[in-house]
Amino acid sequence: DQQVKQNSPSLSVQEGRISILNCDYTNSMFDYFLWYKKYPAEGPTFLISISSIKDKNEDGRFTVFLNKSAKHLSLHIVPSQPGDSAVYFCAASAANYGQNFVFGPGTRLSVLP
Amino acid sequence: ETGVTQSPTHLIKTRGQQVTLRCSSQSGHNTVSWYQQALGQGPQFIFQYYREEENGRGNFPPRFSGLQFPNYSSELNVNALELDDSALYLCASSPRPGLAGVTDTQYFGPGTRLTVL
Repeated sequence: DQQVKQNSPSLSVQEGRISILNCDYTNSMFDYFLWYKKYPAEGPTFLISISSIKDKNEDGRFTVFLNKSAKHLSLHIVPSQPGDSAVYFCAASAANYGQNFVFGPGTRLSVLP
Repeated sequence: ETGVTQSPTHLIKTRGQQVTLRCSSQSGHNTVSWYQQALGQGPQFIFQYYREEENGRGNFPPRFSGLQFPNYSSELNVNALELDDSALYLCASSPRPGLAGVTDTQYFGPGTRLTVL
């Protein structure tokens, strides 16, 4: 039973365009969400997070949107760069779960020059 | 500031053997979590250690055990290895364990790739 889903295993985007990565969750107790980026042979690197009291958080080229009623969040990367090519993981946690983050299966983003 | 380090990088074991993986947390972090990432999947939470005590556990059998030392470094031990234990094992550190209403970002090491034959 996957509590965090990323239904697109892969995504290809042209350099300079917008990349949109989607994530859905089923557990309504989740109240904190993160995106991690992972390059081959490296551990996941924290990218951006959002608390359930917000619906948007922005950090440079990266924006995360949260739609609590739909249990859906998305990561927007604008403009996309070739260096953004990596696997992106969505993760969720609940305050009562402590640091038990539940990860999605990941989406492989390829930004084409 | 030193990041999270893990050793060894790669390891090959046979079924039934035991393995110990090691992790040094990021400077200033007292909480360590361990994850298992199977091929094509996201990391799955194994357990967390805070101040040398287990502070939460995922859905893994007791043959997965851990330790945290006074310097906050940690070990993951797996007994009676099975073929399905083949995975990337990730260690993550954070400044503190989850508190009510507070969640901290975790910082990951590069992982140990375990292959069980």
